[in-house]
Amino acid sequence: GAVVSQHPSWVICKSGTSVKIECRSLDFQATTMFWYRQFPKQSLMLMATSNEGSKATYEQGVEKDKFLINHASLTLSTLTVTSAHPEDSSFYICSAREAGTPEQYFGPGTRLTVT
Amino acid sequence: AQSVTQLGSHVSVSEGALVLLRCNYSSSVPPYLFWYVQYPNQGLQLLLKYTTGATLVKGINGFEAEFKKSETSFHLTKPSAHMSDAAEYFCAVSGGQNAGNMLTFGGGTRLMVKP
Repeated sequence: GAVVSQHPSWVICKSGTSVKIECRSLDFQATTMFWYRQFPKQSLMLMATSNEGSKATYEQGVEKDKFLINHASLTLSTLTVTSAHPEDSSFYICSAREAGTPEQYFGPGTRLTVT
Repeated sequence: AQSVTQLGSHVSVSEGALVLLRCNYSSSVPPYLFWYVQYPNQGLQLLLKYTTGATLVKGINGFEAEFKKSETSFHLTKPSAHMSDAAEYFCAVSGGQNAGNMLTFGGGTRLMVKP
């Protein structure tokens, strides 16, 4: 149980285009989903927290107009990187939490490369 | 506010030897503590967690950790390392239910297992 999937697992896009990453909880209802960014050989940096049906809460320094987060259902959250630039290249990981439980379950990550 | 410090960004042990990965935390409220493992180009897998109750918690793959409030520590141990244990390990803390269960991660420790 507690499986979280991400799609795509990797994506290459050209500078200036937008990319959408999906995060799904497969066997539980995720009232809260989190989006993280991880640079090579570094820890995870929380980008934003989203609760189903409400606007995401972004961490300081994260541009909400660039990283659009939608949590439209209890099993799906999406992260759209708009007008991507090479510096947005990174490993993006989502996690999901079920109401009343403390642990987060993580997706396998999405490797974004912007050329 | 909360923070996590993982002492030793790299730890190397021989196969069959004791694994000890150190984690110290600070938290203004009773913490929830977690250990996650990350294999290359993958998401994070929950190894174990402490919320309340017994301070020695057992997780998957033979790992265990002990919550020591007086030392603000949550070190991860395994009696005998396997080659398959080579990975990146992250300690994380959350402020419990009152903090929205947001995780703060340590910098990670890369465990290397020598044959």
